[in-house]
Amino acid sequence: QSVLTQPPSVSAAPGQKVTISCSGSSSNTGNHYVSWYQQFPGTAPKLLIYDNNKRPSGIPDRFSGSKSGTSATLGITRLQTGDEADYYCGTWDSSLSAVVFGGGTKLTVL
Amino acid sequence: QVQVVQSGAEVKKPGASVKVSCKGSGYTFTSYSIHWLRQAPGQRLEWMGWINTGNGNTIYSQNFQGRVTITRDTSASTAYMELSSLRSEDTAVYYCARFRRTNYFDYWGQGTLVTVSS
Repeated sequence: QSVLTQPPSVSAAPGQKVTISCSGSSSNTGNHYVSWYQQFPGTAPKLLIYDNNKRPSGIPDRFSGSKSGTSATLGITRLQTGDEADYYCGTWDSSLSAVVFGGGTKLTVL
Repeated sequence: QVQVVQSGAEVKKPGASVKVSCKGSGYTFTSYSIHWLRQAPGQRLEWMGWINTGNGNTIYSQNFQGRVTITRDTSASTAYMELSSLRSEDTAVYYCARFRRTNYFDYWGQGTLVTVSS
């Protein structure tokens, strides 16, 4: 059971837009910055978004992040087949004194 | 450029211990904490604990308390994670990652597969 809740899967056609939600509570997403990671099979996660909505150097502006209350959202526009991957949200949980992650969302670009 | 490189795959028997290394380069090792995470096959990321590479202080997840030990060797810019009393459920890819103050991991090791099998 993950502390943060993500949809198990999302799908959309190439060129379209998709959003992935990440729902938590006041002890985690509600009061701490959220980050997002992209993971391809057999590889390490890669930072996509940090501090709720900032992109590291080299991450295209097709990827965006937002947060409202205890929920965060990853948005991906102009979808490409190369975006097919698992996406995870993460943050700190002050009640658990631990880093926590969502269960991951598998993106399929049809 | 910043790099985080882990040691290679391990195969262990139940009840044994495993020690995985994580070498940081291209930055001041003692300026950033190193965290350890793992991912069982087809499962989510699971946080295990972290070490303040400057003073050596550690904090562990309750899920691994008593079984995990994280250390560092500043002269080698390397952190280590040792997991004891291994069981089959510990079969997973173990990652180390550099942690930033606003709660995110900016550089990850390539992962180390630990297989626990009799």
